[in-house]
Amino acid sequence: DAGVTQSPTHLIKTRGQHVTLRCSPISGHKSVSWYQQVLGQGPQFIFQYYEKEERGRGNFPDRFSARQFPNYSSELNVNALLLGDSALYLCASSSGRVPSYEQYFGPGTRLTVT
Amino acid sequence: QKEVEQNSGPLSVPEGAIASLNCTYSDRGSQSFFWYRQYSGKSPELIMFIYSNGDKEDGRFTAQLNKASQYVSLLIRDSQPSDSATYLCAVTGGSYIPTFGRGTSLIVHP
Repeated sequence: DAGVTQSPTHLIKTRGQHVTLRCSPISGHKSVSWYQQVLGQGPQFIFQYYEKEERGRGNFPDRFSARQFPNYSSELNVNALLLGDSALYLCASSSGRVPSYEQYFGPGTRLTVT
Repeated sequence: QKEVEQNSGPLSVPEGAIASLNCTYSDRGSQSFFWYRQYSGKSPELIMFIYSNGDKEDGRFTAQLNKASQYVSLLIRDSQPSDSATYLCAVTGGSYIPTFGRGTSLIVHP
């Protein structure tokens, strides 16, 4: 079975631009969570979606938004990019309704903002 | 502010030894506890989860949870050079939002 997939793997953007990151969960999983990981830190929770509804939101500004599609894939959007948004963005898939269930991470998208 | 604390290391152990990784958390209402392994430049990989006090064993890995003392640990028996990685502890509480520690770097030397 395929694991969690994410695209693109790497991305370079300029300050002020917009970016869209994509994620497909493990087959049968209905929950997708998004995390930001900066170098030397653990992942920070951004959002969780289950059955297309937002179930959890971390402490991130409104420039960050996400949605989940009927096939359970998900997009993370970030507007008005800042240098500090440079990070590894991780998508995690889970069978559970809340983020406390076991989560399986995709390979991540490395975003560099210049 | 819910916190999860890990010693950043590096923790260096010889091949074949037991590596002991520790994690403490501040939220007494925490319910779910996870250990992830992250190789440099890669994404985290779930290796253990534990929900109840006591020990949980899976192959060479043992997770230990003590809710009264608010700590969770991971033991790796017969450590191998391939175990060299950063180990992340994650804890979820009543809000169901996972909080990750900064990770402990483990080096297993031949």
